[in-house]
Amino acid sequence: AQSVAQPEDQVNVAEGNPLTVKCTYSVSGNPYLFWYVQYPNRGLQFLLKYITGDNLVKGSYGFEAEFNKSQTSFHLKKPSALVSDSALYFCAVRDRGSQGNLIFGKGTKLSVKP
Amino acid sequence: DTAVSQTPKYLVTQMGNDKSIKCEQNLGHDTMYWYKQDSKKFLKIMFSYNNKELIINETVPNRFSPKSPDKAHLNLHINSLELGDSAVYFCASSPPGLAGGPTDTQYFGPGTRLTVL
Repeated sequence: AQSVAQPEDQVNVAEGNPLTVKCTYSVSGNPYLFWYVQYPNRGLQFLLKYITGDNLVKGSYGFEAEFNKSQTSFHLKKPSALVSDSALYFCAVRDRGSQGNLIFGKGTKLSVKP
Repeated sequence: DTAVSQTPKYLVTQMGNDKSIKCEQNLGHDTMYWYKQDSKKFLKIMFSYNNKELIINETVPNRFSPKSPDKAHLNLHINSLELGDSAVYFCASSPPGLAGGPTDTQYFGPGTRLTVL
């Protein structure tokens, strides 16, 4: 079965510092991986995805993620964090053999302090 | 313009009642979904639906039923509400991809916070 794990419940970063939100996956076959962000009291917004090709994927708001097949990881990164990046971040994998259902990790709360 | 909208935004009701949550998308997408987010923020798929097929997560009680009057709408009906149904429910949609299947990017509505008393 497909699954993703986000080992950190919360990540704290000072504004201007680089940030990393971790995600590891377990899939059979080639993974379709995603990052979504949820701001307080809002729905989820798509950030980026990896389907195939370049291991470094660039997304919205200056975020990027690196697909690492040997480590089965898909960590989300940003070179310089903003206070406005504070939100809940979800890693997800597409459930193969379905209508594209997403299987989400438990989420990581990112807190960026000024 | 709102791409995926849900009504109501908040729903407070008593145990045992029957309620519906509406979802509409104006993106022309073929596939729609319902997700449940519990109090610990854990997100889980409940249903996915296009004009050909409904796929139900086997863990979803049959008190929950999706109804699609047309391609742009996927409403969620809940019978005999229970305390454990309290959660935020998200609707989502995705456009058609190659060979008619859904693409990978899903667009989410703002959520409906259901509170069962």
